[in-house]
Amino acid sequence: AQTVTQSQPEMSVQEAETVTLSCTYDTSESDYYLFWYKQPPSRQMILVIRQEAYKQQNATENRFSVNFQKAAKSFSLKISDSQLGDAAMYFCAYYTGTASKLTFGTGTRLQVTL
Amino acid sequence: KAGVTQTPRYLIKTRGQQVTLSCSPISGHRSVSWYQQTPGQGLQFLFEYFSETQRNKGNFPGRFSGRQFSNSRSEMNVSTLELGDSALYLCASSFWPFGDEQFFGPGTRLTVL
Repeated sequence: AQTVTQSQPEMSVQEAETVTLSCTYDTSESDYYLFWYKQPPSRQMILVIRQEAYKQQNATENRFSVNFQKAAKSFSLKISDSQLGDAAMYFCAYYTGTASKLTFGTGTRLQVTL
Repeated sequence: KAGVTQTPRYLIKTRGQQVTLSCSPISGHRSVSWYQQTPGQGLQFLFEYFSETQRNKGNFPGRFSGRQFSNSRSEMNVSTLELGDSALYLCASSFWPFGDEQFFGPGTRLTVL
């Protein structure tokens, strides 16, 4: 079965510090896409970053960057200069053409403290 | 551009009733997917539609159905509601279904009493 594992149910970071959220996945596909989504208390899912598996270069979006290790099937999210507004649930997900769906992990709740 | 809209935002139904949820994708987007989010099961895939065709369906009973119209708007229907159907139902749209960014709507919170 294709799965996504987020082993950190909760993380905490101080404002302005850096935090890394872990994600591993299991797929037999060679072509797929990886995503990080943020879900604040409003429950609105917000796309944070997207990575195409065939690209070796790690995706970056402002303070958000990923460490994509294809061989290890690892896709971690690094948040730099953390802000109070970053507090949310973060979901890792992947999409394969065969499955035609997003498969989500269980999420990591990120707290940002002063 | 307006985002994905979902109506209604909140819904309370009783067991045995049926419900229809609506999703309007971002203008120009042709693919719509539906997900169910519950505290126990997390985010689970329901359907994916592209150009009025269902490309994939998740592991849900036949009581869950959906469709997509020619203007890309989508509806999902749940018949004979059960208590376990209480959930946040999320709709997402993308221009293209093959790994394109999916943009989510605010969700419909369904409560079954």
